[in-house]
Amino acid sequence: AQKVTQAQTEISVVEKEDVTLDCVYETRDTTYYLFWYKQPPSGELVFLIRRNSFDEQNEISGRYSWNFQKSTSSFNFTITASQVVDSAVYFCALSEASYNTDKLIFGTGTRLQVFP
Amino acid sequence: NAGVMQNPRHLVRRRGQEARLRCSPMKGHSHVYWYRQLPEEGLKFMVYLQKENIIDESGMPKERFSAEFPKEGPSILRIQQVVRGDSAAYFCASSPQTVSNTGELFFGEGSRLTVL
Repeated sequence: AQKVTQAQTEISVVEKEDVTLDCVYETRDTTYYLFWYKQPPSGELVFLIRRNSFDEQNEISGRYSWNFQKSTSSFNFTITASQVVDSAVYFCALSEASYNTDKLIFGTGTRLQVFP
Repeated sequence: NAGVMQNPRHLVRRRGQEARLRCSPMKGHSHVYWYRQLPEEGLKFMVYLQKENIIDESGMPKERFSAEFPKEGPSILRIQQVVRGDSAAYFCASSPQTVSNTGELFFGEGSRLTVL
């Protein structure tokens, strides 16, 4: 069955600290997609990244980086030199490439609080 | 994100009333998804529609909930005889093709339903 686990419910850090948000997934498919979304206090969902199961290269985008490891079924997200504006709930999600539907399975989210 | 328009942003209903939530996808998008986010929880898939067709409604409650995406006009999520447990944020997302092809769902800002 599909499942996404974000074991960290809430993380608090002080500005400029690095922080890693964990994501572990379960799927039967060999082809699948992994996503990270940010939900700031205003409530909207902001797309951060999509990774397909055949691409295990790590990705860096500014202060954000993602570590995809199929061996451990993990897709972790690191924010370097965190800032107060990074405070949000972060969701990891999984989509299986089935022929009929592309629904996303979301984790329960990790609330990140960055204090000045 | 701003391209997917949801209204109303906030809706208050009394138990037993009906709630109608609207979603206008981004221009050129023919795939619409509805998700529900209960307080302090992640998003749960409800239904996936293409123009005039329901493709996957596996996440929809069996009673009181319905969705449509007519040939003309927005997608509508309708909740009849609302109960307090329906209080949640309802997010709509759209894509021009299936997620596995395009890689990203564009989310609206959500409609927050409160049932008194």
